[in-house]
Amino acid sequence: DIQMTQSPSSVSASVGDRVTITCRASQGISSWLGWYQQKPGEAPKLLIYSASSLQSGVPSRFSGSGSGTDFTLTISSLQPEDFATYYCQQANSFPYTFGQGTKVEIK
Amino acid sequence: QLQLQESGPGLVKPSETLSLTCTVSGDSISSSKYYWGWIRQPPGKGLEWIASIYYSGSTYDNPSLKSRVTISVDTSKNQVSLKLSSVTAADTAVYYCARLGSSFYDTSGFFDYWGQGTRVTISS
Repeated sequence: DIQMTQSPSSVSASVGDRVTITCRASQGISSWLGWYQQKPGEAPKLLIYSASSLQSGVPSRFSGSGSGTDFTLTISSLQPEDFATYYCQQANSFPYTFGQGTKVEIK
Repeated sequence: QLQLQESGPGLVKPSETLSLTCTVSGDSISSSKYYWGWIRQPPGKGLEWIASIYYSGSTYDNPSLKSRVTISVDTSKNQVSLKLSSVTAADTAVYYCARLGSSFYDTSGFFDYWGQGTRVTISS
C-alpha cells in the first residue's frame, strides 16, 4: 500500500494568513493526488484533484502543486470558513489511501 | 443535483454482519460510468477507503479488511450496498458513500460527491 504522510498535523493561523500543508507519498504517484476539506460533523469535500486542478465551485484561494512524491496545498488568504481538517488522498493505485489529516485552527 | 443517502442500523453486535445501503438520486448508477464507493472514519480518526464498484459490477476492496467486504449495486433501485462481516469494535465508525470518478472524467480516482454519513457502533 502507498502510505501518505501529511505535515504538520495541526497549524494555528489567523484570518488572512497564507497556509501551506504538505503531503508526501511513500512512492511516486505522478499527479494522482487529491485534497479534501472536512468540517466537524460533515462529510469531506473535494477541493483539488490531479494535484493542481481546482474542483468546480471551490474558491481560487485554494491551490495545489507537486508531482511524484511531494505535494502541497496552499490557502493564499485564510478565511473564517476555512478552519477545518484537510486530507490528501492518492489515486495512483488501489487501495486508495488518505493522509492522517491536518487540522487548521484559529490562532 | 446529485444526492447520496446512507442508511442502515446504527448498532451492530460483534461477530455479526454490518449492512449499509446508499441510495443515489439525481444520477443513474447504470448509465453515468462512475464508480461508487464506501469510506469510513472511526471516531476522532482519519479516513479509510473500504471498497468501490463500477456501474458494470467490477469491484475493488481494501485488502486490510481481509475479505470481509461485499459491495454490490442494484441498478433498479439506484442503490449501492455494503456488507462487512465478522465485525468488531474496531469497525465502529461513520460510514460514507461517495461517487468516484472513472477514466471518463477529469476527477478520475477522486471522490467528488459524498453522502452525509451514517454512524455505526459495534457493541453487544
